[in-house]
Amino acid sequence: AQSVTQPDIHITVSEGASLELRCNYSYGATPYLFWYVQSPGQGLQLLLKYFSGDTLVQGIKGFEAEFKRSQSSFNLRKPSVHWSDAAEYFCAVGAGDYKLSFGAGTTVTVRA
Amino acid sequence: SQTIHQWPATLVQPVGSPLSLECTVEGTSNPNLYWYRQAAGRGLQLLFYSVGIGQISSEVPQNLSASRPQDRQFILSSKKLLLSDSGFYLCAWRGLAGGSTDTQYFGPGTRLTVL
Repeated sequence: AQSVTQPDIHITVSEGASLELRCNYSYGATPYLFWYVQSPGQGLQLLLKYFSGDTLVQGIKGFEAEFKRSQSSFNLRKPSVHWSDAAEYFCAVGAGDYKLSFGAGTTVTVRA
Repeated sequence: SQTIHQWPATLVQPVGSPLSLECTVEGTSNPNLYWYRQAAGRGLQLLFYSVGIGQISSEVPQNLSASRPQDRQFILSSKKLLLSDSGFYLCAWRGLAGGSTDTQYFGPGTRLTVL
């Protein structure tokens, strides 16, 4: 079965600084990979997804992620964070069997 | 475009009372539907999923049940709530058309507090 690890529980970053959130997955074949964002008290919003092709994926809100098969990673990046990026971020992996496996999430705090 | 609704948005219930949370999807047919729970400070736990009317798969043994009486309606229920049922309940749908069929889209959630 597939699984996801998000090593960082909490990250604090200054507004305007760059952000990178780590995600490592475990799956034998090529996975489907996702990043979701959740603001407090809200549902999850899809930021971006990787299915195949170009390993650098662009998403909404200025986010991008890079799939690295050799490292089993799908890290999320943003060059310059805004205060509105403070939220919880979830990485997920799918294997085409109806279900997604989610990481435990990384909480991002943005300081002025 | 597709939209997903959940209600109620917030619910406070006493221990031992029944529960019914509803999720409906618009703008798509025959979606896969999912119920997740987020307990405080924890990630998402898949509770149930459904691939069609009347077809329910349970992921974890618990005090809850799910039903799908119509194609785009998914209901989460309990006969007697426990304190441990408190949490944030999320419904999601997954489309079956197109290449990116593994993508799940989430509703706004229901905050349940059991006292």
